[in-house]
Order: sequence, then structure tokens, then C-alpha cells
Amino acid sequence: DAKTTQPPSMDCAEGRAANLPCNHSTISGNEYVYWYRQIHSQGPQYIIHGLKNNETNEMASLIITEDRKSSTLILPHATLRDTAVYYCIVRVQGVGAGGTSYGKLTFGQGTILTVHP
Amino acid sequence: NAGVTQTPKFRVLKTGQSMTLLCAQDMNHEYMYWYRQDPGMGLRLIHYSVGEGTTAKGEVPDGYNVSRLKKQNFLLGLESAAPSQTSVYFCASSAPPGQGEREQYFGPGTRLTVT
Repeated sequence: DAKTTQPPSMDCAEGRAANLPCNHSTISGNEYVYWYRQIHSQGPQYIIHGLKNNETNEMASLIITEDRKSSTLILPHATLRDTAVYYCIVRVQGVGAGGTSYGKLTFGQGTILTVHP
Repeated sequence: NAGVTQTPKFRVLKTGQSMTLLCAQDMNHEYMYWYRQDPGMGLRLIHYSVGEGTTAKGEVPDGYNVSRLKKQNFLLGLESAAPSQTSVYFCASSAPPGQGEREQYFGPGTRLTVT
């Protein structure tokens, strides 16, 4: 799986958009970009994923550059409850050789997002 | 629909003791995973299963064993606990490819301390 680089921490004011960047310059053509977050002491929570088109769901938007070497997760109106560690993960989606490679998420250090009043 | 549940939530073991962590999911997912998370670090995959009766090693399998006797349950065993296994353990499950869902759903975690 491709390696990702994220800033260690970011701040955001409540009600403003939070834009979290991720570099994945070695991404391969069939590798998806996934975003998860982990609120203190809880299990990780899926946010969004995409291949090359921009994606939006009820939680966030994902913007992937045309060369796919970087992406940005956008929380449009951050709230205090969005304070968490955000993980950008690049992985192949699907079943690998022998059916044993699917679903292995490689978590890095992530970005600690602090939303303040 | 409880999602993914883990038992117990907390446990303290002495070095050399054994224990089993239980993960249960009610989403009829084929795939299940066990991760560990050490302080200040991301999650690392211990073992995973792509279906009932099958298991496979992840990144850090040493010192752990797993079993998937029923589709909804995935057990993680520590035969002889060591202080290096002090960690928070997370279980997750997901649907296989081709069934719409791709994300992994995580349980609330088990905090294990080995003294």
C-alpha cells in the first residue's frame, strides 16, 4: 500500500471548514484513498473514500488532485465533536492473491484536529 | 443493531496468564479483523479472517492466536501474556468486495494491561 504523509496537527474554529491535507505521491492506479477518524478512546470511524473523482457524503467531502498524488478531506462546518485524529489511508480495494489481502488498512500517525470555540 | 461489540472492555493480567478477547458483529459481515493500538500510534493489524473457519496473519501476529468458529464471532487469544502486549485492542468487520460496503466497522476497544 502507498505511504501517506499528513501534518501532525491542525486547528480549526467551530463553524468554519476544516481542510485536512494528505500526500500520497506513490499511489498506484488501483489504490483508493480512505479517511477514518478516531475520537479519543473510541474505535476508528469511517468517513469517506474515493478513487479519482471527488466524493461527498453527509459527513465530509474528499477532493483528489488530478494526478492523484494528494487529497484533501473537507469538513464543511466543523463542530467541537469533530475534534479527533484523522487518518488518511491508501489501499487496494478488493481481494488479493489467495483471497487474503483484502481489507488491510495501514494506519499512520494521522492528523490531530482540534476544533475550538 | 449493535454493530461490533467487544468483551471485556478492560482487563489487567499478570505476566504469563492467558485470556481470550471476544468480538461479535451482527451485520452478517464475512470479514473480521483484530488490531492493536499502542500509545501515540496508529492501529496495527494482528490477524484477520475472510470467512467462517478461516484466519490469516497480519502485521504483528506473534504471541496471539485467533479463531472464527462462527461467522459473527472472532476470538483473539493470548496464551502467555507479556508486558509488551499491553495495548488497546480493536476488532472490526466488513463486507467482502462486490456487496456495496467497503468500509470497516470498528468496535469500542478492549484496554489490556499486563503487569
